[in-house]
Formats: sequence, structure tokens, C-alpha cells
Amino acid sequence: QLQLQESGPGLVRPSETLSLTCTVSGGSISSTSYDWGWIRQPPGKGLDWIGSIYYTGSTFYHPSLTSRVTMSVDTSKNQFSLKLTSVTAADTAVYYCVRHAQDQNWFDPWGQGTLVTVSS
Amino acid sequence: QSVLTQPPSVSGAPGQRVTISCTGSSSNIGAGHDVHWYQQLPGTVPKLLIYGDNNRPSGVPARFSGSKSGASAYLAITGLQAEDEADYYCQSYDSAAVLFGGGTKLTV
Repeated sequence: QLQLQESGPGLVRPSETLSLTCTVSGGSISSTSYDWGWIRQPPGKGLDWIGSIYYTGSTFYHPSLTSRVTMSVDTSKNQFSLKLTSVTAADTAVYYCVRHAQDQNWFDPWGQGTLVTVSS
Repeated sequence: QSVLTQPPSVSGAPGQRVTISCTGSSSNIGAGHDVHWYQQLPGTVPKLLIYGDNNRPSGVPARFSGSKSGASAYLAITGLQAEDEADYYCQSYDSAAVLFGGGTKLTV
């Protein structure tokens, strides 16, 4: 059974860079049918797609975050990562890593999520 | 404000039927892009409930169904149960971006 697990700091200072890693187990990140994505949910609010990456490194990001987001993939470790620069309090959220179906654009499964707080 | 519009809340009594709408535009749902639905029980991770407009993943009860008409999509839940109380999100695609609706809180 495919499982995803996020890891990274739970507290990031304003203007610094948020860095998270997602480890995939129970399946290969090198699947040709899927991308791997990040979705966030601010406390008490809805879901926002951040972006997705294919195992070859090809990426696509939400247009509103393109200038601040970088995603990467490490197929040897079955991991993919997110970096978000110049964070503010508005970036405080639970961050989920997900498998992203290429053909229809649905997300399943989801990692358990990790809360990242931006505060000094 | 989300591009995909959902009612903030809906409610229904046990055993009843409720429908949650998701209204988009000619560039997303109206353009024929697939609509998916997620259920987020209180304090838990979102779960894929309906994919490709009207398909249920394995394990999702037949009480849940999806449909689409024009630029809107609908999630119907029949035979409401207490454990259906959750937030529901629609999701589609538009201009190289994945979109989520703002979410609907279902109270049973």
C-alpha cells in the first residue's frame, strides 16, 4: 500500500525558506502515470495546490507561487521536496504531500500532513 | 475567493439526501475538465471520494455519487449518516493550475 510521509521543520522564521521532504513507501516514485505534489491548508481554511513534479524533474507550479517555489525529486531515495522562499505568516499551514494522477488530475493518497508555522 | 464556488454549509437529517454544488466557469468545469471530490472528516486528512466526475474509489459507499452539468458539478449523498459530517471539497483544473473549491461543511 502506497504511503507518503512529510518531514521538515515545524517553525520557520519570516523571510526565510520553508523546506519539506516527502518520503514515498510501498511504491516507486518513478511511476510513469503519476506526478507528485504538494497541497497546503491554512488553519481553519480550505485546500490550496502548490505544485507538482514528475520523477524526471519536470515541474508545474501554481501561477501565484511560481516565483517562490522550487520542487525537486530524488529517485534514489524515493523522495521529493518542496522549498518555499520568503515566507510570511500567510504561509502558515498544514502541508500535505500527495500522489497526483496525470491523466485526470486527482490526488490520492495523501500524507498525514505537517504543520508549518511562520513566526519569529 | 475560490474560482470554484461551493456553498459554505449544508445540512440534512439522518437518512435524507443532500447535494453539494461546485460552480466553475467555461475555462475549468465548463471546458470539460474532470471534477473530483474529497471528504475531510474532522481532524483528519482529506480523502478522495469521487474522481473523474462520477467514479468512486474502492471502499467508498454507493451513497456518494457525483455528476456534472455545464460549468457545475454536484456531489450527492443519500441515506445521510452521522459519520458523513465533514468538510467536502471539489477540485478541477484551469489554465495550467489545479483548483479547489472553498469547501462545504456538511452537518448531519
